[in-house]
Amino acid sequence: NAGVTQTPKFQVLKTGQSMTLQCAQDMNHEYMSWYRQDPGMGLRLIHYSVGAGITDQGEVPNGYNVSRSTTEDFPLRLLSAAPSQTSVYFCASSFATYHNEQFFGPGTRLTVL
Amino acid sequence: AQKITQTQPGMFVQEKEAVTLDCTYDTSDQSYGLFWYKQPSSGEMIFLIYQGSYDEQNATEGRYSLNFQKARKSANLVISASQLGDSAMYFCAMREGGGAQKLVFGQGTRLTINP
Repeated sequence: NAGVTQTPKFQVLKTGQSMTLQCAQDMNHEYMSWYRQDPGMGLRLIHYSVGAGITDQGEVPNGYNVSRSTTEDFPLRLLSAAPSQTSVYFCASSFATYHNEQFFGPGTRLTVL
Repeated sequence: AQKITQTQPGMFVQEKEAVTLDCTYDTSDQSYGLFWYKQPSSGEMIFLIYQGSYDEQNATEGRYSLNFQKARKSANLVISASQLGDSAMYFCAMREGGGAQKLVFGQGTRLTINP
């Protein structure tokens, strides 16, 4: 199993550009989520999904869009990048009940100039 | 409202000593899970240990144990016989049993093990 994979590992954008961060998992997990981690801080939830076709907002959703057309994939779209979106982005997946740990991808380090 | 509180931004411990990392949480759910993750300088998130709200015994995983005090809403991580490789950020997180069962993180504690 590859687990949770994320691409790219690093990305530099200019203000106003758009891009998609890719996330895929091969563990048949219903639940997938995106977090951002700013320096010296914990992880904050951006968007999450409890299954294909179902998504919802987390704590910091503004400026981001998601869709879930398959169980395996959960891409995160930055609509118009801003310097405040400079961060490390983590994708995670798990089974959908509270006692299941979330498995994390390796992260994407995004810099917006 | 802050659901997970980690009050120790940084801790310094001598190698081979035991260390306790504090975590308090806030929830009105009866069913919830508490998790600890380690984040080394390389950046990945590593799951360490889990405690369920209905578990009567404290969870243990090798050198890691969780001191779970339900009435006080605390879930402290204890690392016995610390090693240099334990130097990392440590995050406490909670997943509530109601609603969407999102995972919510604390701010983290940076642990440094001195030789």
